[in-house]
Amino acid sequence: GAVVSQHPSRVICKSGTSVKIECRSLDFQATTMFWYRQFPKQSLMLMATSNEGSKATYEQGVEKDKFLINHASLTLSTLTVTSAHPEDSSFYICSAREQGGKLFFGSGTQLSVL
Amino acid sequence: QQQVKQSPQSLIVQKGGISIINCAYENTAFDYFPWYQQFPGKGPALLIAIRPDVSEKKEGRFTISFNKSAKQFSLHIMDSQPGDSATYFCAASRETSGSRLTFGEGTQLTVNP
Repeated sequence: GAVVSQHPSRVICKSGTSVKIECRSLDFQATTMFWYRQFPKQSLMLMATSNEGSKATYEQGVEKDKFLINHASLTLSTLTVTSAHPEDSSFYICSAREQGGKLFFGSGTQLSVL
Repeated sequence: QQQVKQSPQSLIVQKGGISIINCAYENTAFDYFPWYQQFPGKGPALLIAIRPDVSEKKEGRFTISFNKSAKQFSLHIMDSQPGDSATYFCAASRETSGSRLTFGEGTQLTVNP
């Protein structure tokens, strides 16, 4: 199956700093990528839909100035958590849709904000 | 109308047994129903998926049963193995491409040796 690479897998940062997470589709072009947040023992919560070359669409309650999404190419989307605080600590997962329609997920990024 | 209800929340099965996880949906516009398997610290991996034009789909030890009239679908894992221990999520979407998935709450499966 298609491969979606997500980096870093784990990041620890100080409160107030910004963290960038990358999501790459390695062997296919993805016009649409999705960013999810997952708390322990809970389901995935869609944060935003990222479309190549246009602004991301954020779900209700997700601060777009807090979670900056850039989808500059057909193989790369980035999520930047700005001025991170302890409550932003979570598992962030991206997914990418291949042109055939199937969704593939990255391996996730565990963010811990001290 | 966007909810997908999943049960049970947790499931313990003996090795060789059958694991059954159920999901129910409300939105009749959903036309794609995948199941994902997630190990701790990893992203979900697509396991098997079904569309509403068939009532059952089987891939190896994994089978999806789909009941369109009841708006329910289930995952059956035959001959469950300890390596199947993971969290399983059902999902649904209204686009045939499977994008913008609505996930169930997840089921923590433990298969005892």
